Amino acid sequence: LAKTTQPISMDSYEGQEVNITCSHNNIATNDYITWYQQFPSQGPRFIIQGYKTKVTNEVASLFIPADRKSSTLSLPRVSLSDTAVYYCLVGENESDMRFGAGTRLTVKP
Amino acid sequence: DVKVTQSSRYLVKRTGEKVFLECVQDMDHENMFWYRQDPGLGLRLIYFSYDVKMKEKGDIPEGYSVSREKKERFSLILESASTNQTSMYLCASSLGGSGLTGELFFGEGSRLTVL
Repeated sequence: LAKTTQPISMDSYEGQEVNITCSHNNIATNDYITWYQQFPSQGPRFIIQGYKTKVTNEVASLFIPADRKSSTLSLPRVSLSDTAVYYCLVGENESDMRFGAGTRLTVKP
Repeated sequence: DVKVTQSSRYLVKRTGEKVFLECVQDMDHENMFWYRQDPGLGLRLIYFSYDVKMKEKGDIPEGYSVSREKKERFSLILESASTNQTSMYLCASSLGGSGLTGELFFGEGSRLTVL
């Protein structure tokens, strides 16, 4: 199972772009990279998933370099409501993916 | 929208009691999962199921069992609750079948306190 490493916490201000990088040096060929968001007292919520290069949806972008040993979740123009814990997961299927401690993002006014 | 419903948001039980945590999903998903979440540890996988009557151990199955008699329902059972099982328990489901979706749909969680 691929292990992921993320910063424990990050601070930002409203309107800024936030980039959270995840390291996954032992990612396997068939593994995908998936990011989740969790608010207090709620279950995690899927944000975005990718395999290589760049993926963008209405919420975020995911950048994956060619060697796939890391990935960066980019949140454009964050607001206070983006304050949450963000998890990076790597795996071939849902049962392979493991949640680490995540990155606690605090957005300040 | 997929809805994953956990039967109780908050439970308080005594050491040695048998505890049932129920989870129901309404989107005909193949896969269901039980996690526990503790401060600083993230979510840890207890058990998962790919199909009715099928179950697989996750990373921390000790002290737990599961039951999946119907596709939409996945129960977590603590045969004899202990204080170290005080935690937030989260149920999730995913589509399953061929190919990865990677998208887990979570319930709101059940906070269990064992006294």
